[in-house]
Amino acid sequence: AQSVTQPDIHITVSEGASLELRCNYSYGATPYLFWYVQSPGQGLQLLLKYFSGDTLVQGIKGFEAEFKRSQSSFNLRKPSVHWSDAAEYFCAAPFSGGYNKLIFGAGTRLAVHP
Amino acid sequence: DAGVIQSPRHEVTEMGQEVTLRCKPISGHDYLFWYRQTMMRGLELLIYFNNNVPIDDSGMPEDRFSAKMPNASFSTLKIQPSEPRDSAVYFCASSRGQLAGVPNEQFFGPGTRLTVL
Repeated sequence: AQSVTQPDIHITVSEGASLELRCNYSYGATPYLFWYVQSPGQGLQLLLKYFSGDTLVQGIKGFEAEFKRSQSSFNLRKPSVHWSDAAEYFCAAPFSGGYNKLIFGAGTRLAVHP
Repeated sequence: DAGVIQSPRHEVTEMGQEVTLRCKPISGHDYLFWYRQTMMRGLELLIYFNNNVPIDDSGMPEDRFSAKMPNASFSTLKIQPSEPRDSAVYFCASSRGQLAGVPNEQFFGPGTRLTVL
């Protein structure tokens, strides 16, 4: 069955440190992939998306993600984390039976220490 | 653009009462989605509409839940009767349909936090 997996439920980093959040997918064809961020008390906001072409995708707020077909991964990275990045991050992919429906991972909650 | 608007932002009710959540999608978007978010189950898609027509309601937990979209600018999610296990944050999202087979971004509202006592 199609799935999106985020292996890390919680991650804590120090402000200024680098960050990598993991996402793995199971999908037959070349996937479309998304990363969303949810700040406390807010709805989800799109950070970036991969559709095709360059496997390194740039997003908002200094985030980037790299699509690796060989590893079925789409990991989110940021070179230097700011305290305001503390939030929950969701990886998502369209349902193969209907592209307008998204399957979300369980989310990774990021805490940032000063 | 005002974004997706949801009301109320918070709702506290007693078990057995009817609850109605409201959503106004972004103008021009032809898809509308209702999600539920809980600690235990994460983010779940309940139902989605295309051009005001329900397309997939397989995520609706049971007959106590119903959703309508009478026009392109308004949708409701109703729970009748409500139960404590319905306590969650309910999100509405909207998007344009896919273009040339490529899915579009979903824009989320701020959510309604429902507490059923």
